[in-house]
Amino acid sequence: SQQGEEDPQALSIQEGENATMNCSYKTSINNLQWYRQNSGRGLVHLILIRSNEREKHSGRLRVTLDTSKKSSSLLITASRAADTASYFCATDEGYSTLTFGKGTMLLVSP
Amino acid sequence: NAGVTQTPKFQVLKTGQSMTLQCAQDMNHEYMSWYRQDPGMGLRLIHYSVGAGITDQGEVPNGYNVSRSTTEDFPLRLLSAAPSQTSVYFCASSPTGAPNQPQHFGDGTRLSIL
Repeated sequence: SQQGEEDPQALSIQEGENATMNCSYKTSINNLQWYRQNSGRGLVHLILIRSNEREKHSGRLRVTLDTSKKSSSLLITASRAADTASYFCATDEGYSTLTFGKGTMLLVSP
Repeated sequence: NAGVTQTPKFQVLKTGQSMTLQCAQDMNHEYMSWYRQDPGMGLRLIHYSVGAGITDQGEVPNGYNVSRSTTEDFPLRLLSAAPSQTSVYFCASSPTGAPNQPQHFGDGTRLSIL
């Protein structure tokens, strides 16, 4: 069953705006990962945050993790049309498997 | 490096036929896995392997078989195709014997069962 659930399901913004996506999960995790999927392609890893970390940055990406609320957020600053994609969170609960959410579809208009 | 290579990219089958989806990685990764992606369902784990000779079931294993005779290859077999198996299938790998590192995905196999 799905562990991570992304919110919103879809997000439409203009170039230059920030995009925030949220992920909620149900059980304790070892780490949480965010992936991007462009249309017709495989998933590409963006960032991994471990359960003892609260925030992580990579370029225009900022990920936060709140284990007390069992939630994470992905912020993309100064969005570009090329950021148009689906974004997924995935949780590692320590059982040798990753569980993916259903994803957020982001549309960035020029 | 080619990364994770999946073949074929597209396939149409008739109900009851069998086929094998191929997955190969050239990064000497220990962990490999198969997912299916359906509209509105995200990715669901079918089978995974933590190393050569070791496989285990994921969330939706029924109707699928896997083997891991080498580190590089992790084929997925559909035993008797059913329309419910129409989906996009992704193979992924990561360096260690656990998914605690970034996963490298192939570009998928789009499978239609008539």
